[in-house]
Amino acid sequence: QSALTQPASVSGSPGQSITISCTGTSSDVGAYNYVSWYQQHPGKAPKLMVYDVSNRPSGVSYRFSGSKSGNTASLTISGLQAEDEADYYCCSYTSSSSRVFGTGTKVTVL
Amino acid sequence: QVYLVESGGGVVQPGRSLRLSCAASGFVFSRFGVHWVRQAPGRGLEWVAVISYDGSDKYYADSVKGRFTISRDNSRNMLYLQMNSLRADDTALYYCANDLSGIPTIDSWGQGTLVTVSS
Repeated sequence: QSALTQPASVSGSPGQSITISCTGTSSDVGAYNYVSWYQQHPGKAPKLMVYDVSNRPSGVSYRFSGSKSGNTASLTISGLQAEDEADYYCCSYTSSSSRVFGTGTKVTVL
Repeated sequence: QVYLVESGGGVVQPGRSLRLSCAASGFVFSRFGVHWVRQAPGRGLEWVAVISYDGSDKYYADSVKGRFTISRDNSRNMLYLQMNSLRADDTALYYCANDLSGIPTIDSWGQGTLVTVSS
């Protein structure tokens, strides 16, 4: 159950687009379309932003989009805004019916 | 509106036990799988355990297998985590969270309860 691999940090200017990668294995990310993404602001609980690779829950901005290719999933934030500055985590269902989170990515809005 | 309220955290000595509780409201608790997820201070999220809607299936992270037990009481809308043989690296904020309907995806989260393992 090794954590999924994410870049430690990603930054961008307001209005730009950024992409966060999430690399797993053929037993988790590559095996199922049950990849989700969470946003966590300091001192707050995580918030679901994308589920089933590319679906957005009600109320989540269209600026957040997800995709997957092989063992790597990605979250793209378009039209970057100051409020998007937070930590982001991916999560996948696994072949052992467990879940595994990514290492986390700190997004900085320059 | 989903509400998940954790309790039972505190300071405990290594090797001792602690039981966490999570009170659920605002949704039909008995229809959803529920999880425990933890976050050590300044660190990332770590999935701990999940229990199916009826309690028949339970899965654990390797780091807690054999020491932690997840359970639920659907008549009281309660989730529990019995933690035995606690270690310093179990120190974390423990969240309970529920699955999305019919999908193995963690959806709503509580605010967490802090467990500190220290002598």
